[in-house]
Amino acid sequence: DAKTTQPNSMESNEEEPVHLPCNHSTISGTDYIHWYRQLPSQGPEYVIHGLTSNVNNRMASLAIAEDRKSSTLILHRATLRDAAVYYCILRDRYNQGGKLIFGQGTELSVKP
Amino acid sequence: NAGVTQTPKFRVLKTGQSMTLLCAQDMNHEYMYWYRQDPGMGLRLIHYSVGEGTTAKGEVPDGYYVSRLKKQNFLLGLESAAPSQTSVYFCASSYRQEGRSGYTFGSGTRLTVV
Repeated sequence: DAKTTQPNSMESNEEEPVHLPCNHSTISGTDYIHWYRQLPSQGPEYVIHGLTSNVNNRMASLAIAEDRKSSTLILHRATLRDAAVYYCILRDRYNQGGKLIFGQGTELSVKP
Repeated sequence: NAGVTQTPKFRVLKTGQSMTLLCAQDMNHEYMYWYRQDPGMGLRLIHYSVGEGTTAKGEVPDGYYVSRLKKQNFLLGLESAAPSQTSVYFCASSYRQEGRSGYTFGSGTRLTVV
């Protein structure tokens, strides 16, 4: 399974945009880029995923580099509730079971 | 919308005891997964299933067994619990077809083995 690299931690201010980076230089053409987040004492929560094009949903935006070797999760206006660990994961769409292998993620703190 | 339901939410076991954790999903997902999460660490995949009657090993399968007799249920068992199995266990499910949505996770089972 291809690996991802994320910063261990990031800080942001409330109501400001947040850009969470992820490097995946060994990504294959069949890998989808998934983002999940885990709030304290809760199970992980799906945020967004994409293959090649940038994606938007009600929670966030996903910007994928043209060579697909990196991506950025964008939270447009951070709130205190967005403080969580954010995981960037590659999922091979042809891998039976579509397993998600979690790394350490980025711990995002949001200051009021 | 119940999503993914895990039972029980908490359990304390003595070393050597056995137990089963049950996961139920109502989204008609084909795939189901069991993860464990130790304090301060990311999730590790224990076992997974791509359909009724089929299971496969993940990253850390030793000491666990699983069963998927019905599409909506995925059972995780410990035959002889050990203190090293103290952890929070998460069940998840997803569609087979990529692109439809991501995984849905349960709220977790906190297991302590003494």
